[in-house]
Amino acid sequence: GIQVEQSPPDLILQEGANSTLRCNFSDSVNNLQWFHQNPWGQLINLFYIPSGTKQNGRLSATTVATERYSLLYISSSQTTDSGVYFCAVRGAGSYQLTFGKGTKLSVIP
Amino acid sequence: GAVVSQHPSWVICKSGTSVKIECRSLDFQATTMFWYRQFPKQSLMLMATSNEGSKATYEQGVEKDKFLINHASLTLSTLTVTSAHPEDSSFYICSARDSPIGNEQFFGPGTRLTVL
Repeated sequence: GIQVEQSPPDLILQEGANSTLRCNFSDSVNNLQWFHQNPWGQLINLFYIPSGTKQNGRLSATTVATERYSLLYISSSQTTDSGVYFCAVRGAGSYQLTFGKGTKLSVIP
Repeated sequence: GAVVSQHPSWVICKSGTSVKIECRSLDFQATTMFWYRQFPKQSLMLMATSNEGSKATYEQGVEKDKFLINHASLTLSTLTVTSAHPEDSSFYICSARDSPIGNEQFFGPGTRLTVL
């Protein structure tokens, strides 16, 4: 099946700093989603982005499908951004999302 | 975005008992629902996929007689953990999409199961 690798596994930021999270995948995809899992376990949909670039406030994401990677940018980070960020993909011809292992982000005041 | 709810949000039960978890799509009809399991500090692992009105498809290594899934309507899927044991303690999350080829998936808030 399709492989999904996220980096870095852990990231500590000072409040106000910017960061880039990366997601590499091993095959063609027809779905790529970024999620933020909050401390209570809820997965929040950030972006549905199988290709191209999207922005939502301080967050933006870019997927380069031909090179099999996606980037999530967080600008002016806040303590509420802390949590685990997951990338999940669905390969062409597949019915299921495959999750990466996540990036644990800690934003300190 | 679409809203998916789960009930209960947490449950504690004795070993040997059965526990039912409900997953509902609140503002859309979910032709396909997914059940995931997440252990502490780990990623989500797909357990099974259910399509309304048909039998669930289980991932390799998931016991279908232990984890009973019913998707009887377009807004409700249930997962029953039968004869639960401490090793079944985990965070169970359901997900739904609004068409067989729909792209975006929406997730419920999860159910934390503790088996004593």
